[in-house]
Amino acid sequence: EIVMTQSPATLSVSPGERATLSCRASQSVSRHLAWYQQIPGQAPRLLISGASTRATGIPARFSGSGSGTEFTLTISSLQSEDFAVYYCQQYDKWPPTFGGGTKVEIK
Amino acid sequence: QVQLVESGGGVVQPGRSLRLSCAASGPSFSNYAMHWVRQAPGKGLEWVAVISYDGNNNYYADSVRGRFTISRDNSKNTLYLQMNSLRPEDTAVYYCARDSSYVVVRGVMDYWGQGTLVTVSS
Repeated sequence: EIVMTQSPATLSVSPGERATLSCRASQSVSRHLAWYQQIPGQAPRLLISGASTRATGIPARFSGSGSGTEFTLTISSLQSEDFAVYYCQQYDKWPPTFGGGTKVEIK
Repeated sequence: QVQLVESGGGVVQPGRSLRLSCAASGPSFSNYAMHWVRQAPGKGLEWVAVISYDGNNNYYADSVRGRFTISRDNSKNTLYLQMNSLRPEDTAVYYCARDSSYVVVRGVMDYWGQGTLVTVSS
């Protein structure tokens, strides 16, 4: 199965600053890459699919980029509600696999 | 608006069985594939199983294949996960989630339930 690796494990950012999260696949997944946000105690929420297409209702401050094996999620100006854990997930090959997550915490 | 509500979790001894349900409300449940995804305490997300929109096709993670069975009843807008031969490592919050693609299985999960906790312990 495809292994997804996220870095860093924890990212400390001040409100209003930019956050850049990375995700690497063990083999090419083309652009079949999704990002999810999980606030503690809540279910995951789909942010982005197709590497860069925001899901319905997701603010424009969230953007995704990349293809092949290297992907990035950027949050342009962190709001208080953005402090959460973010997961990448590939859906190019079965089974779908998730990265270990990046926790974005308040600096 | 799509809403998914899981139920059936609880504490169960190793080797025993449990059946989870996921009740869906909102449009077109019968037109979308459905997934189960789990999350062990303090850990990340692990995909468990998927079933096609019509129930005719399913696929499992290696960790549960042969022990878990996914099914659905479109007349009741309900998804199920029958879990047999449970192990302590199956302890997790189990989420049901809708596939984002109409009819076709894409592997992106756009709506999630709130989860139900399964604890396997003697």
